Amino acid sequence: LAKTTQPISMDSYEGQEVNITCSHNNIATNDYITWYQQFPSQGPRFIIQGYKTKVTNEVASLFIPADRKSSTLSLPRVSLSDTAVYYCLVGSYTGRRALTFGSGTRLQVQP
Amino acid sequence: DAGVIQSPRHEVTEMGQEVTLRCKPISGHDYLFWYRQTMMRGLELLIYFNNNVPIDDSGMPEDRFSAKMPNASFSTLKIQPSEPRDSAVYFCASKSEGQGTPYGYTFGSGTRLTVV
Repeated sequence: LAKTTQPISMDSYEGQEVNITCSHNNIATNDYITWYQQFPSQGPRFIIQGYKTKVTNEVASLFIPADRKSSTLSLPRVSLSDTAVYYCLVGSYTGRRALTFGSGTRLQVQP
Repeated sequence: DAGVIQSPRHEVTEMGQEVTLRCKPISGHDYLFWYRQTMMRGLELLIYFNNNVPIDDSGMPEDRFSAKMPNASFSTLKIQPSEPRDSAVYFCASKSEGQGTPYGYTFGSGTRLTVV
């Protein structure tokens, strides 16, 4: 299975930009990188997905370097409501590799 | 669309009893997944279906667990007999094959199971 490595936890303050990096050294050619957000007592929620370079949507940006061995989720100007666990998944379409969640990064945003 | 609907939201049962968790995927989605989440083991994929057919059940813990998808709009996860170590939040998720790039999938709100 594609192994991903993320920091266990991060702290930030409201209004700051937060960057969470995920390492995936054994990413395969067909693999995509997908990030999910999970609030307590809720299921994970899809945030963003990319293959290479940069992807941006209304919630976040995803930066993927040319070698694709890592990716960075960028959350601009976080608020208290961004306190959650963020997961990075790597895989193609719907194989087991794409469906395996790691431990995630617990982001705590302080006022 | 109402999203992925799971029932019940909470279930408390005694050890040895049969438990059935239910899931209604998003209409038109052709993949359905069952996950289990605990503090110790995180999110674990139990089984997933494509077009109502089980594709990968290698995550099902043991024979006490079974899952069915009799049609495109309904799936069940059954535990018989239940044990205290089965206590967890069980999530159902669904996904469309989509066109081109793979999409993320949509999770339900989960069923919190407590076996006493």
